[in-house]
Amino acid sequence: DIQMTQSPSSLSASVGDRVTITCRASQSISSYLNWYQQRPGKAPKLLIYAAASLQSGVPSSFSGSGSGTDFTLTISSLQPEDFATYYCQQSYSLWTFGQGTKVEIK
Amino acid sequence: EVQLLESGGGLVQPGGSLRLSCAASGFTFSSYAMSWVRQAPGKGLEWVSAISGSGGSTYYADSVKGRFTISRDNSKSTLYLQLNSLRAEDTAVYYCAKDGGDIVRDGFDYWGQGTLVTVSS
Repeated sequence: DIQMTQSPSSLSASVGDRVTITCRASQSISSYLNWYQQRPGKAPKLLIYAAASLQSGVPSSFSGSGSGTDFTLTISSLQPEDFATYYCQQSYSLWTFGQGTKVEIK
Repeated sequence: EVQLLESGGGLVQPGGSLRLSCAASGFTFSSYAMSWVRQAPGKGLEWVSAISGSGGSTYYADSVKGRFTISRDNSKSTLYLQLNSLRAEDTAVYYCAKDGGDIVRDGFDYWGQGTLVTVSS
């Protein structure tokens, strides 16, 4: 089974900050890596698919990069609505989520 | 507009059974794979099961294999998850999610609002 490890598990940031979240796979997954945002009490929302492709309707402040085993999600300028929990997901072999990264207000 | 509406959750005793449903609308249901993803209270997301558009291929997480069964009725645009031999650790909100294609691996682009399953005596 492929394991996904996100870091950090949580972070505190201010509006306007640049935020980077990393995700590491236990084996190479090529570019089969997706990112989701989940606000409290809500269903997850797809942000990035195939490591770097922006899902329709998602602000361009979100970007993804990486391939193989190491991936990053970057929010270029944090907005109030971006405070949420973010999950990576591999879709190379079945599907596995990372444990999540909670982005909190500093 | 794509809509996914889950139902069927509730309180069930350990060892019991439950069937979840997910009614889909706003897209050609049979053209897309579907998945179930769960989230235990205060925990992260766990993929549970997936089914191809035709229903001919099914996939399960090791944690539910042999206990849960995924199925679909394309004539009714409805996805199902039969949960048997339930355990306390199956307590979670269960979401149905639409694949970006028919197992194209581009993430789950639409999600339902979730239905809560509580396993307790």
